[in-house]
Amino acid sequence: GNSVTQMEGPVTLSEEAFLTINCTYTATGYPSLFWYVQYPGEGLQLLLKATKADDKGSNKGFEATYRKETTSFHLEKGSVQVSDSAVYFCALERGGSEKLVFGKGTKLTVNP
Amino acid sequence: DAGVTQSPTHLIKTRGQQVTLRCSPKSGHDTVSWYQQALGQGPQFIFQYYEEEERQRGNFPDRFSGHQFPNYSSELNVNALLLGDSALYLCASSLETSWTGGLGEKLFFGSGTQLSVL
Repeated sequence: GNSVTQMEGPVTLSEEAFLTINCTYTATGYPSLFWYVQYPGEGLQLLLKATKADDKGSNKGFEATYRKETTSFHLEKGSVQVSDSAVYFCALERGGSEKLVFGKGTKLTVNP
Repeated sequence: DAGVTQSPTHLIKTRGQQVTLRCSPKSGHDTVSWYQQALGQGPQFIFQYYEEEERQRGNFPDRFSGHQFPNYSSELNVNALLLGDSALYLCASSLETSWTGGLGEKLFFGSGTQLSVL
């Protein structure tokens, strides 16, 4: 079946550090891939997306590249800020399924 | 423009009871999906409603049921509550005709209802 595996958290970084959160997936066909972010007390927000192999999604300094050969979609940011502290979820949508499959989430804490 | 609103924000029930959670979609949206997010886990798809009918369902027992009203708002009902039903329940809305390039980018999530079953 379809599944998403994220690196275990929590992740604690100092401000301006480099961030990588690993995400790998298992899916039939060619899924679309997403990163969502959940700030405390808020709903999930779409951070970035990629819909086909080699696509790079980017937003707010975050990037992720759809790697079909390694079935991965790792999230990166060159310099994190305290305001980036949140829980990050990797997710996939198999084409036409109209539903998302999420990873377990990775909690990021950025200290000043 | 109001986003997706859910009520109540928190709820405490005891085992065996029944609960109803409510969701108002983002203005202009006609499709509502429900997800269950257990502590430390990612959200899991429960079901989706469109045109007042359940269009698709995840791997949840029949104790979980729903409804969509003509104004597109939706309810999630859970009967015979179990301790394991304790979770954050998220509602997400979207517009049917905007599903090009993937649903995931078209979903707007509410802040959720935190259900505790004692």
